Amino acid sequence: KNEVEQSPQNLTAQEGEFITINCSYSVGISALHWLQQHPGGGIVSLFMLSSGKKKHGRLIATINIQEKHSSLHITASHPRDSAVYICAVQRLQLGGNTGKLIFGQGTTLQVKP
Amino acid sequence: GAVVSQHPSRVICKSGTSVKIECRSLDFQATTMFWYRQFPKQSLMLMATSNEGSKATYEQGVEKDKFLINHASLTLSTLTVTSAHPEDSSFYICSGTLTNEKLFFGSGTQLSVL
Repeated sequence: KNEVEQSPQNLTAQEGEFITINCSYSVGISALHWLQQHPGGGIVSLFMLSSGKKKHGRLIATINIQEKHSSLHITASHPRDSAVYICAVQRLQLGGNTGKLIFGQGTTLQVKP
Repeated sequence: GAVVSQHPSRVICKSGTSVKIECRSLDFQATTMFWYRQFPKQSLMLMATSNEGSKATYEQGVEKDKFLINHASLTLSTLTVTSAHPEDSSFYICSGTLTNEKLFFGSGTQLSVL
């Protein structure tokens, strides 16, 4: 079983729909990242979370440390949101945070006009 | 925000040649740089961690003599794929970290070995 699991793997939505992508992990973490990868391959860091909730524009990310679960929400989705969304965690390690990430498999989102 | 510039974005080479990929942190000093590879429709896989001025730390199964990493300055890390073979064809991407927390990714390099 992967240490970081995302669901769904693939998601198709109509423009304007509210979208949720889930991430569950099985290790102790110091932080969780949500990343966006466009078809060209470039990756953008959307959020880094260690607790609670963050919002940026139409994107909202939440994390529940006790349940080892995080969600990424997109409100009023738009075709330009079409991308692969990746959840990644930084494993909690003795001696400080190394910054190394464990990645989920990614969720491919397609938003249709 | 901070930017990591990665070059080249795409390279096609013959089997047996070596290919160098550069990652530069443009407006911050990246004490640590991570190198990943990604096969089609698969997740990123960490290859190695490079720290400025010291030897890179390679992940299990990654050949250090095959994938040479140099992090000679706080703003430049390079990955050289030596004697490339078709099975090395992949998407390679780097990321830099400011404080071992916030991560900034390069735009990636698509390597095709003929």
